[in-house]
Amino acid sequence: KAGVTQTPRYLIKTRGQQVTLSCSPISGHRSVSWYQQTPGQGLQFLFEYFSETQRNKGNFPGRFSGRQFSNSRSEMNVSTLELGDSALYLCASSSRTGGSPTYEQYFGPGTRLTVT
Amino acid sequence: LAKTTQPISMDSYEGQEVNITCSHNNIATNDYITWYQQFPSQGPRFIIQGYKTKVTNEVASLFIPADRKSSTLSLPRVSLSDTAVYYCLVGASGGYNKLIFGAGTRLAVHP
Repeated sequence: KAGVTQTPRYLIKTRGQQVTLSCSPISGHRSVSWYQQTPGQGLQFLFEYFSETQRNKGNFPGRFSGRQFSNSRSEMNVSTLELGDSALYLCASSSRTGGSPTYEQYFGPGTRLTVT
Repeated sequence: LAKTTQPISMDSYEGQEVNITCSHNNIATNDYITWYQQFPSQGPRFIIQGYKTKVTNEVASLFIPADRKSSTLSLPRVSLSDTAVYYCLVGASGGYNKLIFGAGTRLAVHP
């Protein structure tokens, strides 16, 4: 079974621009979560989508948004980029629907975003 | 979600057993304990999960005492490829797929 894929793997943007990152979950997984990882703040939860609905959201400004399509693929968008948005953005998928005790999420390789 | 405390870093040598302890004094009754491993520039990888006593899989063991206020991840006979950051997470069995990561433990395995 193919793993979680993220595109692009690397991206360089200029401050003020916007960016869209894509994530394809493992086949059959309906939950997709996004995380930001920086040296200073570590791994932080951005949001989770399940069946095209945002179920949970982390403490990030409204410039960070996402969506999920009917095939479970997800995109996240960051508008008006700031230098501090430079980070590794990770996507994770899970088959867990909420009632199962299994807490396993499968992470993709990430998209390395550099804002200059 | 319960707050976790783990050592910032640990050093070991190839072939040794490594034990990483995580404190979670405020763990709730329905919380599970989960460990992830992360290599540089890669996404975290699930290692093991448990609720109480001992859980073992092909890569690690997880020891959880009766009061569940701490847990210990045990890696048998580590190799250089086990050099990574290890995260202890505590969260409810219900709810959503929101993982709260702490700073993790940076394990360095030396030849």
